[in-house]
Amino acid sequence: DSGVTQTPKHLITATGQRVTLRCSPRSGDLSVYWYQQSLDQGLQFLIQYYNGEERAKGNILERFSAQQFPDLHSELNLSSLELGDSALYFCASSEQGSANYGYTFGSGTRLTVV
Amino acid sequence: QQPVQSPQAVILREGEDAVINCSSSKALYSVHWYRQKHGEAPVFLMILLKGGEQKGHDKISASFNEKKQQSSLYLTASQLSYSGTYFCGTEDNYGQNFVFGPGTRLSVLP
Repeated sequence: DSGVTQTPKHLITATGQRVTLRCSPRSGDLSVYWYQQSLDQGLQFLIQYYNGEERAKGNILERFSAQQFPDLHSELNLSSLELGDSALYFCASSEQGSANYGYTFGSGTRLTVV
Repeated sequence: QQPVQSPQAVILREGEDAVINCSSSKALYSVHWYRQKHGEAPVFLMILLKGGEQKGHDKISASFNEKKQQSSLYLTASQLSYSGTYFCGTEDNYGQNFVFGPGTRLSVLP
């Protein structure tokens, strides 16, 4: 157990639907990062939050949004889902606002859009 | 800008050594290494900060050549458990522009 909790582990939904992925960072970590990993592909950075504020944005689609709440958990909202959105979505956390201490990843949410 | 990793894939026999390289066209502040087993989350291995340091634990070590903007990961006397995809991640300034490389798939056979 890495200390980063992601729910749900698996999600199957239809095209056009909306889903919410949840992440609780490791205790004491202020930063949360969201990554998308398509089948056997690399890790694509979506967005970072630090202590409730958006810190950096990557290749995140307009259909996707995220937020970090006062208790530091984060949610990634994916709407108008398309088949191509099927992927593993990872949340990672770090102690501060940078990757300087390394990322701790959650076990991921596998999203399948049918 | 995404760093380049080489090789893309490597197959080893147990006990053999391997080197995975990561290079960037930009000056780097730090380089990170992660290992991901199939279907699992990436696991942090180590971080190297600019200054040309070398780090290691057990039989996995890494070096960082700041002038060449390159890092190499060394796996010696490989074990079956070393199999997975190795990602480097680079940061060109403190807290900024962290990006993962495309990964190197390592397979260790008995």
